[in-house]
Parts: sequence; structure tokens; C-alpha cells
Amino acid sequence: DQQVKQNSPSLSVQEGRISILNCDYTNSMFDYFLWYKKYPAEGPTFLISISSIKDKNEDGRFTVFLNKSAKHLSLHIVPSQPGDSAVYFCAASGGGADGLTFGKGTHLIIQP
Amino acid sequence: DAGVTQSPTHLIKTRGQQVTLRCSPISGHKSVSWYQQVLGQGPQFIFQYYEKEERGRGNFPDRFSARQFPNYSSELNVNALLLGDSALYLCASSLLWQGFNTGELFFGEGSRLTVL
Repeated sequence: DQQVKQNSPSLSVQEGRISILNCDYTNSMFDYFLWYKKYPAEGPTFLISISSIKDKNEDGRFTVFLNKSAKHLSLHIVPSQPGDSAVYFCAASGGGADGLTFGKGTHLIIQP
Repeated sequence: DAGVTQSPTHLIKTRGQQVTLRCSPISGHKSVSWYQQVLGQGPQFIFQYYEKEERGRGNFPDRFSARQFPNYSSELNVNALLLGDSALYLCASSLLWQGFNTGELFFGEGSRLTVL
């Protein structure tokens, strides 16, 4: 059973607009949430994270929102740029020895 | 500074064979984790090592084993290969054993294993 779900396999957004990527989780023991970005033939690179004690974290064009009651988080990218085209993975951690639990990823395509 | 380096980048094996994948962490990092990424899925946690000791293990069979050396490099071994072991194997390093919580987990480019 998937504990971290990204229900949109792909998302197409026009350059300059907002990109919103969504993620749902089922394990209430998760207390850290992260977004990773992956280009083809490269390893995932860390983008932004949020602790469960917060509901928002911002870093430049990237903002992550966490709704604990709904077990939902989202990544907002404003404005979207061509270089943002990549696969985005949502990941979660319970802080223990189980590593990170990843979703299946969302392929974001930024159109000119 | 060099990032996480993995070798080999690509390899092809046949069912029943054994494979060893290697990883060198970022200089100064003492924790190495291994993840398996099957096509169309997200990475799945296999092992974490910190200071040469196993600190975590995912839901993988005993055919999978790993170790960490005194210089903090690591090897992942998979015995009796199955077709389903075909995947991208990612190594990641961090300074602390719970560095992944703050995003301080740095991935290599991976070793792509094909089992025929």
C-alpha cells in the first residue's frame, strides 16, 4: 500500500504561470516532508522541505504547504520557468531508521 | 568538490547472477543510503549505513546486502538476481544519519541494472 501518493503522473503549465504539484500521505507518523526534483540521467536533487510543526515553508520561487488534518501537501512554483521541467518527487520521513518514502513522481512540463 | 559517485553506471546481468554496486559519498559525509527505483516508481529505501553500521533496512529480501568501509564508501550486493531486480540503484550520502530529514541527502546519478 502506497503511503505517499502523487496522483498526477504529469502536469503541463505555461511559462510564467503557477505550477501546483500535489501529494497525499497516509502514515500519520510522518513528520518531515520533502520535495525532490529529478532530471533525466541525474540523481534526485533536494528542493525544499517542511516539518510537521509548520504549515508553510518558502524558498524563492518555491513554497510548500502542509495540511496535516487532510494529510496533504503541495508545492507551488511561481513563476514557472523552462528549467523547471523535470520529474518532482514528494517524500516523507518518520524520523526513524526507515529512510525516505517517496511518491511515484509528477512529470512537470513547462511550455513556452 | 566531487558529489556522490557511483559505479558502474550501467550493467547487464542474467538471472541467477550476483552484482556488486559501489558508491563513494561526498567528502566528510559519514552516512550512505541505498535506494531502488523501478521504472515508473519513486525510489524505494533499501539500506542506510552510518559510521560503518547498518542503521536502517527497507522491505527487501536477504538477497540484498550492503556494507560500509572505513573510508565511508559503500557496496550494495544483490545475489541470485531476478528479472524484477532490474532498476536504477541510487546511492545517497549525508553528514548525519538523520540528515535526510532536513533534505541534506545528496544522491548520485545511479547504477542502472538490467537483468535478462
